[in-house]
Amino acid sequence: AQTVTQSQPEMSVQEAETVTLSCTYDTSESDYYLFWYKQPPSRQMILVIRQEAYKQQNATENRFSVNFQKAAKSFSLKISDSQLGDAAMYFCAYRSLKLVFGQGTRLTINP
Amino acid sequence: GAGVSQSPSNKVTEKGKDVELRCDPISGHTALYWYRQSLGQGLEFLIYFQGNSAPDKSGLPSDRFSAERTGGSVSTLTIQRTQQEDSAVYLCASSFSGSGANVLTFGAGSRLTVL
Repeated sequence: AQTVTQSQPEMSVQEAETVTLSCTYDTSESDYYLFWYKQPPSRQMILVIRQEAYKQQNATENRFSVNFQKAAKSFSLKISDSQLGDAAMYFCAYRSLKLVFGQGTRLTINP
Repeated sequence: GAGVSQSPSNKVTEKGKDVELRCDPISGHTALYWYRQSLGQGLEFLIYFQGNSAPDKSGLPSDRFSAERTGGSVSTLTIQRTQQEDSAVYLCASSFSGSGANVLTFGAGSRLTVL
């Protein structure tokens, strides 16, 4: 079975600084997708970024980028120029058919 | 609809009662998923629908939990004889198909509190 591990229960960063959230996963499949979702206090799950496993190029969405290391089964999220609105729970997720989530990292932004 | 709609948004019930949680997916989305999120925890997969059939119901925690989907649209998650450990937020998500390429869109969830 696929598993996703986020080893950082909590992280904090100063506003305007850069922070990296870690994620590792375990799978025997070769074709899959990886995601980072953000969950603010409103409970709404919001897609941050998506990576296709067959693509070597790391995905980027504005201030958000990933470091995808397929051989190491690692998928970290880098947030540049952190903003107060980035404060939330961040979940890493793996999908071949169903979406499997990590336990989440609570990100705090210090003004 | 424009998004995934879930109702009720909050439900308080007494131990032993049955509850029904409803999910109305985005129009045209054939795949529908239910997840459970306990306080401060990650999302636990419960069941997946493709159309009206459920090819993966491996996450349902016990036979007190059941779900159905009719007309390839609305889904209902039913919890019978609720227990305190059932207290959680139940999230529904939908996508165009079960393919991993398709992004899941989530509803705002139903918070269940069992007293």
